[in-house]
Amino acid sequence: EPEVTQTPSHQVTQMGQEVILRCVPISNHLYFYWYRQILGQKVEFLVSFYNNEISEKSEIFDDQFSVERPDGSNFTLKIRSTKLEDSAMYFCASRGLAGAEQYFGPGTRLTVT
Amino acid sequence: AQSVTQLGSHVSVSEGALVLLRCNYSSSVPPYLFWYVQYPNQGLQLLLKYTTGATLVKGINGFEAEFKKSETSFHLTKPSAHMSDAAEYFCAVTKNSGGSNYKLTFGKGTLLTVNP
Repeated sequence: EPEVTQTPSHQVTQMGQEVILRCVPISNHLYFYWYRQILGQKVEFLVSFYNNEISEKSEIFDDQFSVERPDGSNFTLKIRSTKLEDSAMYFCASRGLAGAEQYFGPGTRLTVT
Repeated sequence: AQSVTQLGSHVSVSEGALVLLRCNYSSSVPPYLFWYVQYPNQGLQLLLKYTTGATLVKGINGFEAEFKKSETSFHLTKPSAHMSDAAEYFCAVTKNSGGSNYKLTFGKGTLLTVNP
């Protein structure tokens, strides 16, 4: 069964460093999302991406964040200068043309020290 | 804006007992509703969804949920709990409207413990 994959599973970085989180969505999906979950809090929407551009972003998704689909398979989230409060589990999700349901990857746990 | 409230951050049941996980939503437009399950160290797996049509929806692993518009609820049930059902369960809502981006708004999650 097709699934969303994410790498790495765990990333530790120092404050101020840039990180890139990678996702491979399900191959025939056209809509891509990033969510994050700070420990003990809700899963929160960050950004959605369709047709090579951001379709919606949340207040959390400020200038430090960017997304890219560099090729036909990968979808990346970049944090330019990480802060302690960026420590969270980051989930990638994708959705097909028909249907509203999103399929999630296993997540990347980002720890900023 | 949409929101989801899951009553009970932790629910504990005995194996074989009824599972009831509560979810109430707030939405100014007709909603699409979802339940996701997260097993330890894994991602979010879609359990079931309500979009349109029949208000009682069945999902994987014997779970079902009923959309009750008058109560703005979408509670998740399973007649008989198994040890393997122990996980965290998330209710989520999105807009059912043309051109919707379908971004999900999640509840805080309910951790289900199943006792032998």
